[in-house]
Amino acid sequence: NAGVTQTPKFQVLKTGQSMTLQCAQDMNHEYMSWYRQDPGMGLRLIHYSVGAGITDQGEVPNGYNVSRSTTEDFPLRLLSAAPSQTSVYFCASSPGTGISYNSPLHFGNGTRLTVT
Amino acid sequence: AQSVAQPEDQVNVAEGNPLTVKCTYSVSGNPYLFWYVQYPNRGLQFLLKYITGDNLVKGSYGFEAEFNKSQTSFHLKKPSALVSDSALYFCAVRGPVTGGGNKLTFGTGTQLKVEL
Repeated sequence: NAGVTQTPKFQVLKTGQSMTLQCAQDMNHEYMSWYRQDPGMGLRLIHYSVGAGITDQGEVPNGYNVSRSTTEDFPLRLLSAAPSQTSVYFCASSPGTGISYNSPLHFGNGTRLTVT
Repeated sequence: AQSVAQPEDQVNVAEGNPLTVKCTYSVSGNPYLFWYVQYPNRGLQFLLKYITGDNLVKGSYGFEAEFNKSQTSFHLKKPSALVSDSALYFCAVRGPVTGGGNKLTFGTGTQLKVEL
């Protein structure tokens, strides 16, 4: 059971480039989310999804797009990378169509992104 | 909107001594509170949660947390610290079911350092 898998683990982009951070889970979780982690700011929610075809914005959605075509996958797209998007990105999932209080978030190991 | 405050960036404690990592929260309605731990270069791992019931919640690795509604606090505790407990600890609160229920808001994190 792999849990939540994020790829790549590291990425360096130039300003203006685009890329997709991949996230896949094999636990049949309905809820998936993306967070970014920055020093002194904790984790901030970017986007989340409560099931295939349903996405919504979190706290810091600007500059990021998401889609959810399958239950398993929830990619995060940066259309035009900016230095302010340098961060560590975490994908997390949970059963149910919300954050079920009986089931905590399961996190991937993160993608460390640097934009120069 | 819900929020979480972790007033200490770092907590230092000697091995064998009790430890406390502080957390206060703000949320409308009944709070759903969580503690997560992050080891270097890894995603967050769930430690424990408070939903309802006893104010003292027991979790993984000997950790417990005390919920205090009047002080809106949810402090993490352990009677006897281990060097292996050294990590980054995050407190989190879930929003109310009717709004923000799908969002988990994290604090800025507290670095725990346990020394011999």
